[in-house]
Amino acid sequence: GAGVSQTPSNKVTEKGKYVELRCDPISGHTALYWYRQSLGQGPEFLIYFQGTGAADDSGLPNDRFFAVRPEGSVSTLKIQRTERGDSAVYLCASSLTPGGDEQYFGPGTRLTVT
Amino acid sequence: GQQLNQSPQSMFIQEGEDVSMNCTSSSIFNTWLWYKQDPGEGPVLLIALYKAGELTSNGRLTAQFGTTRKDSFLNISASIPSDVGIYFCAGQYQGGKLIFGQGTELSVKP
Repeated sequence: GAGVSQTPSNKVTEKGKYVELRCDPISGHTALYWYRQSLGQGPEFLIYFQGTGAADDSGLPNDRFFAVRPEGSVSTLKIQRTERGDSAVYLCASSLTPGGDEQYFGPGTRLTVT
Repeated sequence: GQQLNQSPQSMFIQEGEDVSMNCTSSSIFNTWLWYKQDPGEGPVLLIALYKAGELTSNGRLTAQFGTTRKDSFLNISASIPSDVGIYFCAGQYQGGKLIFGQGTELSVKP
């Protein structure tokens, strides 16, 4: 399909380990967003990219979280020294224009830290 | 993090009934969006609103951008079983991040 894709769909890791979550945006979309969704809550913003650069990373909870988008397409969210509180669904979205209003979401990666 | 105040939190209705839900914020927004999320999936965009007072329809769905720019409403007419899911409002001030409500869980009894 032509939608946003995310891999893996599920990730179980042990506390203290490093994880990488991948997002493939809709082809041609210049802006890419990462959100985190805890059970029973709405998504919470983490970071967004215009092209290769992070335009707003104000939602990253601490320096264990980092994201890159080296070629302006695929993005990777990296979490170091995972903690049980990092368990959540990590959602990626993309929009056609930089900072565009209509964001289209992928299915998410469910991260479980044991 | 900041979230919008969305109500009701849940609704259990009979098939064929109309549904209303709303979202309020202490801050103004330039854009309001409504999404639906099914279990295990990402949110799906239903309606986008760009101007205060705007009323927009998408099939049986109608949404309005409040005139104060601090609220929005979503109505679903003649509900059907596939309307079941969680509905989220989201506000955006200036491009970039969306601020989401806590969601309204809709259940429809056939």
